[in-house]
Amino acid sequence: DAGITQSPRHKVTETGTPVTLRCHQTENHRYMYWYRQDPGHGLRLIHYSYGVKDTDKGEVSDGYSVSRSKTEDFLLTLESATSSQTSVYFCATQVGTNTGELFFGEGSRLTVL
Amino acid sequence: ILNVEQSPQSLHVQEGDSTNFTCSFPSSNFYALHWYRWETAKSPEALFVMTLNGDEKKKGRISATLNTKEGYSYLYIKGSQPEDSATYLCAFSPGTASKLTFGTGTRLQVTL
Repeated sequence: DAGITQSPRHKVTETGTPVTLRCHQTENHRYMYWYRQDPGHGLRLIHYSYGVKDTDKGEVSDGYSVSRSKTEDFLLTLESATSSQTSVYFCATQVGTNTGELFFGEGSRLTVL
Repeated sequence: ILNVEQSPQSLHVQEGDSTNFTCSFPSSNFYALHWYRWETAKSPEALFVMTLNGDEKKKGRISATLNTKEGYSYLYIKGSQPEDSATYLCAFSPGTASKLTFGTGTRLQVTL
């Protein structure tokens, strides 16, 4: 079951460089999310999208931007990566229209040196 | 920022033990409470979504209850098995299905 594909799965970059993570879904779900996972913090919402070109900020959106030009793709961009953005990033889609149940991708591990 | 708290932070039980965890969340403006199971090196998978006070859900040996008036949910595992070892996350949704706030999880380790 590859309903969500995240790319790249692993990336090492240097401080100050731009980074884009891609989330691709095949199930035509309306809502898509980007979370980051850090020890002691659990999953924190960065940005989410409720349709093509419709996005909104989450709890930890500073330093991140997103775009959704097609239903199937949700891009997360770090304009100028910092070491504090070293994390594991999870994309998710909302599979339950009324309940909000999430289906997660496999995660992208980003290391900023 | 909503406060979703889970306890204990970690738990170590023997195979066959029954165990339970707690999730506390704001009791006002409730929409849904989710439980996810997260195995190491994998991604979180939904266990239950509960929307009504008094809801009880069950999947095999795992069950969950919900009290929206006092703002807590319990997850129970009966007869723990090594394959139950994982982090169990709860997530709260206030007034809308579109945004979830996650707790930091309870890490369960089941040994033989």
